[in-house]
Amino acid sequence: QVQLQESGPGLVKPSETLSLTCTVSGGSVNSGSYYWTWIRQPPGKGLEWIGYIYYSGSSGSTNYNPSLKSRVTISVDTSKNQFSLKLSSVTAADTAVYHCAKSPYGGPFDYWGQGTLVTVSS
Amino acid sequence: DIQMTQSPSSLSASVGDRVTISCRASQSISSYLNWYQQKPGKAPKVLIYAASSSQSGVPSRFSGSGFGTDFTLTISSLQPEDFTIYFCQQSYSTPITFGQGTRLEIK
Repeated sequence: QVQLQESGPGLVKPSETLSLTCTVSGGSVNSGSYYWTWIRQPPGKGLEWIGYIYYSGSSGSTNYNPSLKSRVTISVDTSKNQFSLKLSSVTAADTAVYHCAKSPYGGPFDYWGQGTLVTVSS
Repeated sequence: DIQMTQSPSSLSASVGDRVTISCRASQSISSYLNWYQQKPGKAPKVLIYAASSSQSGVPSRFSGSGFGTDFTLTISSLQPEDFTIYFCQQSYSTPITFGQGTRLEIK
């Protein structure tokens, strides 16, 4: 049974960089079988796909939402079985619950982290 | 981007009712359509994938249908635990997009 758990600061100042980590257990981020994804949900609103990383062997490929692409970086740390999100130059509009999730290619997000609320405020 | 439009945005029904939620894509997505249930404070849970395949462990009262641009989620006999929010999502192309959600409320 795969489990995902987000971690990181719950409060970030405007213009700074939001950094979150997703720790994976029960599966390997280096399996080459799944897309490791970040999704966010502003309070009371819908879901927004941020992007994913696909990692196999010693290399990975990323795909980001064009609306966020200039500010987003997703990376993998295979030694810790984790993947991470960095979102730069944040504003109040980036306040949301951030979820990590996995999916097979073209498939549903079958496992999710519980989500972590990140508030952007000074 | 492929726009996903759900209807209705909210729906009132009673325990035992049969309800249908619709999801329309702005272009054809073949069968790359997934349905999720989200309860307050929880991550979404996949109910249906590939338009009509039931995720393991999901009660048989949940079913999905459709192809191309028009899809439906049907709950055949509402149970008390079903009154929550439902989302559709296309996995046909990036950026992956979600419907805005349908809130199912007790009448």
